[in-house]
Amino acid sequence: EPEVTQTPSHQVTQMGQEVILRCVPISNHLYFYWYRQILGQKVEFLVSFYNNEISEKSEIFDDQFSVERPDGSNFTLKIRSTKLEDSAMYFCASEYAGEQYFGPGTRLTVT
Amino acid sequence: GQQVMQIPQYQHVQEGEDFTTYCNSSTTLSNIQWYKQRPGGHPVFLIQLVKSGEVKKQKRLTFQFGEAKKNSSLHITATQTTDVGTYFCVRKNQAGTALIFGKGTTLSVSS
Repeated sequence: EPEVTQTPSHQVTQMGQEVILRCVPISNHLYFYWYRQILGQKVEFLVSFYNNEISEKSEIFDDQFSVERPDGSNFTLKIRSTKLEDSAMYFCASEYAGEQYFGPGTRLTVT
Repeated sequence: GQQVMQIPQYQHVQEGEDFTTYCNSSTTLSNIQWYKQRPGGHPVFLIQLVKSGEVKKQKRLTFQFGEAKKNSSLHITATQTTDVGTYFCVRKNQAGTALIFGKGTTLSVSS
């Protein structure tokens, strides 16, 4: 069964550094998303992406965040200058027929 | 905006007991989805309910959507240790794209 994949599974970075989180959505899906989940808290929407552009973003998704689909398979989330409060699990999801399929997540730890 | 409250926040049961979690919305929902997140895992789509009064079953899981489309429930019959996790009723945002998660109900099962 096709799956959303994410790399790396765990990323440790220093405050102020840039990180790129990578996702490979399921191949015939057209809508892509990033969510985050701070430890012990609820899953929060960051951004949705369709037809090579952002379709919607939340208040969390400020100028420090950007997304890109650099080729036909990858979907990336970049955090330009990480802050301690960016530490969280970041989930990528792709959607088909109203169902969103989540990847296993990347745990980002900012020290 | 729309508020969806889910209760209880935590539930512990003995294996074999039944379990129910309830969601209530302050406004009418166009649809509601249910997701499950195992400890340390990612959200997994369970089902989408669209019609007023809809009841859907998946093996030991029964999902209901209220007549007024303002509430929903998930009932698990004869829980097993594999049912452990957090169950979320999830609505979509106004644009109908992003998923809005609440805190969910965390189920623990002892054998």
